[in-house]
Amino acid sequence: QVQLVQSGAEVQKPGASVKVSCRVSGSTLSELSIHWVRQAPGKGLEWMGGLDPENGERIYAQPLQYRFTMTEDTSTDTAFMELTSLRSEDTAMYFCAIAHSVEAPYITQWGQGTLVTVSA
Amino acid sequence: IVMTQSPATLSVSPGERATLSCRASQIFGSNLAWYQQKPGQAPRLLIYAASIRATGVPARFSGSGSGTEFTLTISSLQPEDFAVYYCQQYTNWPPITFGPGTRVEIK
Repeated sequence: QVQLVQSGAEVQKPGASVKVSCRVSGSTLSELSIHWVRQAPGKGLEWMGGLDPENGERIYAQPLQYRFTMTEDTSTDTAFMELTSLRSEDTAMYFCAIAHSVEAPYITQWGQGTLVTVSA
Repeated sequence: IVMTQSPATLSVSPGERATLSCRASQIFGSNLAWYQQKPGQAPRLLIYAASIRATGVPARFSGSGSGTEFTLTISSLQPEDFAVYYCQQYTNWPPITFGPGTRVEIK
């Protein structure tokens, strides 16, 4: 069974950057369509971006596209997300997730989440 | 595509039927998924393609609809079903968009 294990909670100051990792087990990262979704405290789910594993294209949500970067290390089957110029409203639980396919990107598997707190 | 869900909160007694609605701002076929989220947990896929149950999902969960109107029905609520439910459209992405959620609480 495929599992996603994320890195631990982070506390960052406004203006700083944060990088969260997501290690895949039970499959090969290069075969998966990894997406990132965040959830502010008490709020709903916000899609941030996703990867097309066939061509390596990274697709970002427009509001985040200048601050958000997805990368991958296929040698360790680990995906990463980095968010820069952090603001208080970036405080959220960040989930990595596996989409069924590029054509039908509903989420079939979720990581446990990484809490990122932005506070002075 | 903007997704809306109603009601925001649904109060139901165990054993009763729950009907949750999800509406899209424009027609997009059947590329819709439903997720269940319990406090402190990641969401869990329940339904995809509007009406197909994911692996391991009990038969009391059913999805229907197409176009702009979708429904998740829980035929007989069990104690473990009290949670927040989100719909998600995945047609013509990006972006992928979620509804704001419906909280199903014990009456």
